[in-house]
Amino acid sequence: EVQLVESGGGLVQPGGSLRLSCAASGFTFSGYSMNWVRQAPGKGLEWVSYISTSDSITYYADSVKGRFTISRDNAKNSLYLQMDSLRDEDTAVYYCARTGYSSGCFDYWGQGTLVTVSS
Amino acid sequence: EIVLTQSPGTLSLSPGERATLACRASQSVSSSNLAWYQQKPGQAPRLLIYGASNRVTGIPDRFSGSGSGTDFALTISRLEPEDFAVYYCQHYGNSRFTFGPGTKVDIK
Repeated sequence: EVQLVESGGGLVQPGGSLRLSCAASGFTFSGYSMNWVRQAPGKGLEWVSYISTSDSITYYADSVKGRFTISRDNAKNSLYLQMDSLRDEDTAVYYCARTGYSSGCFDYWGQGTLVTVSS
Repeated sequence: EIVLTQSPGTLSLSPGERATLACRASQSVSSSNLAWYQQKPGQAPRLLIYGASNRVTGIPDRFSGSGSGTDFALTISRLEPEDFAVYYCQHYGNSRFTFGPGTKVDIK
């Protein structure tokens, strides 16, 4: 069974940093590209970042470019999101999601971890 | 940059009725990269349809996707109580992943 479990969320002050982790199991992690998608309270879904299987290719939404860094450790079956210079508007539930069906969709999602940016 | 719009914003229907949700892209997109998700309160989204019309294994056949170019649709042939939720369309292209704003299907 495919499982994605996020951790690392919490309360952080504006301008602070946080590192999210996503532990993957039930599939060959190194064979899939991965993503982070977020959802602000009461709002819709927003894609944040993508990383290829070997981490040679990364993409970011304009809203986080230059502040967030996606990475992965295939040996540990883990995905990460380093979030720096956090802003109030980064407050959201952050989901890790697997890219599936070679079509740019997200076929499996974690349960999410809440990041709250507030003073 | 592709922008996806979804209509209506809210669809109020009764169980057993047919639901048709629309997703329009700001320019023509590849059908291969158009997907639909369902999200219930407090839960992660669930992939329903990929490649515009391919149903994910385990998704009931009352869900179907269609469309091409700029206009796509998700149809629920007969609403079951568990289908009342928010539905999002999503596209991938040019190194970007884009979601529509969502359509809420609620009980009339």
